[in-house]
Amino acid sequence: EVQLLESGGGLVQPGGSLRLSCAASGFTLSTYAMSWVRQAPGKGLEWVAGISGTGATTNFGDSVKGRFTISKDDSKNTLFLQMNSLRAEDTAVYYCARDGYNFVPFDYWGQGILVTVSS
Amino acid sequence: EIVLTQSPGTLSLSPGERATLSCRASQRLTSSYLAWYQQKPGQAPSLLIYVSSYRATGVPDRFSGSGSGTDFTLTISRLEPEDFAVYYCQQYGSSPYTFGQGTKLEIK
Repeated sequence: EVQLLESGGGLVQPGGSLRLSCAASGFTLSTYAMSWVRQAPGKGLEWVAGISGTGATTNFGDSVKGRFTISKDDSKNTLFLQMNSLRAEDTAVYYCARDGYNFVPFDYWGQGILVTVSS
Repeated sequence: EIVLTQSPGTLSLSPGERATLSCRASQRLTSSYLAWYQQKPGQAPSLLIYVSSYRATGVPDRFSGSGSGTDFTLTISRLEPEDFAVYYCQQYGSSPYTFGQGTKLEIK
């Protein structure tokens, strides 16, 4: 059974940093592209970042480019999102999602983790 | 960046009725890489439709998708009580991937 479990969220001050983790089980991380998607309270979905199965290619949404990095540790089957220079507008539930095969997009999602940026 | 505009913002219907949700892209989508997701309160989104018209595994056949180019539609043929939720379209052919702002389907 495919499962994605996020951790590392919490309260952080503006300008601070936080690293989110997404532990994957039921499949091999190195064979799938992965993404982070966020949802501000009461708002819609926003794609944040993506990484290819090999890890060679990463992409970012314009609102986080230069501040966030995405990486993974295939030996631990874990995806990461390093968030620096955090702003109040980064407050959201962050989901990790698996990019499926054969043009199937986000077929599995984690339950989400809340990040609150506030002083 | 491709902007997706969903309409209507809110759709009020009764169980058994037909729902038609629209998603318009600001530019033509590559190979119709357009997906639809359903999100219920407090839950992660769930994939319904991909490549405009293919149902994801386990999705009931009352859900169907259509469209190409810049105009796409999600149709729910006969609404069940569990279908009342928020629906998002997403384009995934061009980075950055983008989502529409959502359509809330509520019980009339």
